[in-house]
Amino acid sequence: KNQVEQSPQSLIILEGKNCTLQCNYTVSPFSNLRWYKQDTGRGPVSLTIMTFSENTKSNGRYTATLDADTKQSSLHITASQLSDSASYICVVSGAGNNRKLIWGLGTSLAVNP
Amino acid sequence: ETGVTQSPTHLIKTRGQQVTLRCSSQSGHNTVSWYQQALGQGPQFIFQYYREEENGRGNFPPRFSGLQFPNYSSELNVNALELDDSALYLCASSPTSGRNTGELFFGEGSRLTVL
Repeated sequence: KNQVEQSPQSLIILEGKNCTLQCNYTVSPFSNLRWYKQDTGRGPVSLTIMTFSENTKSNGRYTATLDADTKQSSLHITASQLSDSASYICVVSGAGNNRKLIWGLGTSLAVNP
Repeated sequence: ETGVTQSPTHLIKTRGQQVTLRCSSQSGHNTVSWYQQALGQGPQFIFQYYREEENGRGNFPPRFSGLQFPNYSSELNVNALELDDSALYLCASSPTSGRNTGELFFGEGSRLTVL
């Protein structure tokens, strides 16, 4: 069964601290994995897209990793800012006859001053 | 800014009414997808249009219908509104067909409240 599970469900950190969000998936065959940032009440914004051959990809203070063997991904946020407060959603694309996007439920991050 | 615009941004309807939501895709993008996002939930795929034809559909009843126009803009129509239709409706455009091939660029959404 295609599933994407994210942890933790929610997280509170202090401004300036680092954090890591996790994503485990069971989607197969696999095409790519995406991380989106969604501010409350707004549309998701793409942070990274990684295919199975990519182990890490950065976008500013955001760094995503992918282990296609263990079907795990992480999103690391460095030197957090108040504007990082948002929901972070992991989305996995299947391939072949499993061509669909499977959305995780997201991790709600709150960055406090 | 993703270049995807949605209208209206907010609207209130009553049960049984009909609603039309609109989306202008990013220039050069021929594929538009629609999602429903209930409060506190992840986006749920409604359907996708590629070159004016429906190219995939999620688990939504027929009263959810859509159109894509020659300029690749799109409409989502919902008939016989129910209270559970209250949600943020997101439109996403992408430069290629298929739900997993192109990067998705989302609009800011249309917030629908059904009373």
